[in-house]
Amino acid sequence: QQQVKQSPQSLIVQKGGISIINCAYENTAFDYFPWYQQFPGKGPALLIAIRPDVSEKKEGRFTISFNKSAKQFSLHIMDSQPGDSATYFCAASKGGMRFGAGTRLTVKP
Amino acid sequence: DAGITQSPRHKVTETGTPVTLRCHQTENHRYMYWYRQDPGHGLRLIHYSYGVKDTDKGEVSDGYSVSRSKTEDFLLTLESATSSQTSVYFCAISWDNYGYTFGSGTRLTVV
Repeated sequence: QQQVKQSPQSLIVQKGGISIINCAYENTAFDYFPWYQQFPGKGPALLIAIRPDVSEKKEGRFTISFNKSAKQFSLHIMDSQPGDSATYFCAASKGGMRFGAGTRLTVKP
Repeated sequence: DAGITQSPRHKVTETGTPVTLRCHQTENHRYMYWYRQDPGHGLRLIHYSYGVKDTDKGEVSDGYSVSRSKTEDFLLTLESATSSQTSVYFCAISWDNYGYTFGSGTRLTVV
């Protein structure tokens, strides 16, 4: 059973647009919610993470929005660039990470 | 990534043969993990270690075993490789069981 559900599977955005990827989790014990970015042939790399005591975290063009009551969180990429084209994974952890299935983002120039 | 090395990077093996993948870290992190990545499934945990000789099963552990005799090395063994184990395998390390650093992966093909 998948404890973290991610959508969409793939996303195409024009350069300068906003990319939005959503995740939902089931286990209310999760207390750490990271997003990972993966380029082809590379391992996933931590992009940004949030704890459930805050509703939003922003780092540069990347923002996590967190809704504890709905058990949902999302990644927003502002001013999307072709260099952002990658696969993005959400995850949730309580001492042991559970990953979503991934979203393949393509940013068209 | 600096501090974590996986070997080999690519391997082709025959069905029924044993295969061992190696993960080596220079960060002295307590926790080490083996994941497999398959399209549509994301990353699924195979086994993890929380110290030397301390290991436990993940969600897809059948057909795999692990060993950790030193802090820096975590070995994943496929007892008798099957075509369903064709995948990309990632090792990860963590000092607190939260922030993970991943290696570059091993692409394994079982023919």
